[in-house]
Amino acid sequence: GAVVSQHPSWVICKSGTSVKIECRSLDFQATTMFWYRQFPKQSLMLMATSNEGSKATYEQGVEKDKFLINHASLTLSTLTVTSAHPEDSSFYICSTRTGDSGEQFFGPGTRLTVL
Amino acid sequence: GQNIDQPTEMTATEGAIVQINCTYQTSGFNGLFWYQQHAGEAPTFLSYNVLDGLEEKGRFSSFLSRSKGYSYLLLKELQMKDSASYLCAVMDSNYQLIWGAGTKLIIKP
Repeated sequence: GAVVSQHPSWVICKSGTSVKIECRSLDFQATTMFWYRQFPKQSLMLMATSNEGSKATYEQGVEKDKFLINHASLTLSTLTVTSAHPEDSSFYICSTRTGDSGEQFFGPGTRLTVL
Repeated sequence: GQNIDQPTEMTATEGAIVQINCTYQTSGFNGLFWYQQHAGEAPTFLSYNVLDGLEEKGRFSSFLSRSKGYSYLLLKELQMKDSASYLCAVMDSNYQLIWGAGTKLIIKP
């Protein structure tokens, strides 16, 4: 299956700062990547679908100006949490899939803690 | 609306068998996935069902009934390492994954 990496694995930052999370597809070209957020003891929540070379598609209720997504190449998508606040503390996971109906392959996740 | 239901938590004994149920109501259906997620880690793929019936893969099996909007994940010969959350997800007509909240499985010796 596809191998997806994320960096960093965890990050602690001060309120008001911005944090960038990278998601890389290591062994195949991913035209589509997904960004999820997961709060403790809750299910995965899709934040946005990232399409290479075009604007991301955000889910309802997700602020696109706060969660900036850039999918500049077929192997890299980035999520920037701008002006982070403690309520943004969560587990952020990216994924990609092989084809429309294929399984999703997840990155290892990034745990963000905003103080 | 779209909805995935699965039990919040289950407890089983090492060496035993456990069945985790999942019922769904979605706009369209393009397959049902089961993922395993250990605490603090990302989900890992277990199974995919798109046709009715049972898919067996080692100690894990997954069943699907599309007419009933129902699936289960069967884990046999339980091991302590099977303690994890098990996520049921359905791919809808737009090829979007709709996720259940997950079932936390606790294995006792």
